[in-house]
Amino acid sequence: DAGVIQSPRHEVTEMGQEVTLRCKPISGHDYLFWYRQTMMRGLELLIYFNNNVPIDDSGMPEDRFSAKMPNASFSTLKIQPSEPRDSAVYFCASSLARDRGNQPQHFGDGTRLSIL
Amino acid sequence: GQQLNQSPQSMFIQEGEDVSMNCTSSSIFNTWLWYKQDPGEGPVLLIALYKAGELTSNGRLTAQFGITRKDSFLNISASIPSDVGIYFCAGQLRYAGKSTFGDGTTLTVKP
Repeated sequence: DAGVIQSPRHEVTEMGQEVTLRCKPISGHDYLFWYRQTMMRGLELLIYFNNNVPIDDSGMPEDRFSAKMPNASFSTLKIQPSEPRDSAVYFCASSLARDRGNQPQHFGDGTRLSIL
Repeated sequence: GQQLNQSPQSMFIQEGEDVSMNCTSSSIFNTWLWYKQDPGEGPVLLIALYKAGELTSNGRLTAQFGITRKDSFLNISASIPSDVGIYFCAGQLRYAGKSTFGDGTTLTVKP
């Protein structure tokens, strides 16, 4: 079975440019999560969706960040305009809701973003 | 919000040694999860624990869900070089959707 698929794997761009990160969750999963990982701050939850609807975006750093999930098989995280401090590894994860509670999250391999 | 204290922050051990790491929380969770992250990859689930007191093994890995529901530990026996990586604990409330992650334990194994 295909896991969570993220693209691109690496992105290098100059500050001020728009950056779009993409994620395809595991088919049939109800939840989709976007995380950011840095040495200083560890793994931070940015936003998550349930059935394509944003549930909690309190982790989104600023208005420069936005996320969408137009359908069950695709989500984007956009940064506009990008800044050097946005450099990090961005992970997408998905999980399945069950009667006993939510199942563990499955992570993609991440997008390593460098803003020059 | 809920926070997890994961310790130790890092470990440097000799191949063949046993490893123990733990997570504590000020409030309860219904599920405890342990993940491992290899360099350049995303975290991968190692063990999931769903009941207080549950003890679960996965090969050389053993994890337990604390009786108070506020802690969990992960043990690795007879470590090998491929055990290197970052180990994360995560707690989850039933039907909450999201998980709360610890800051990770970075494990280095010397051959």
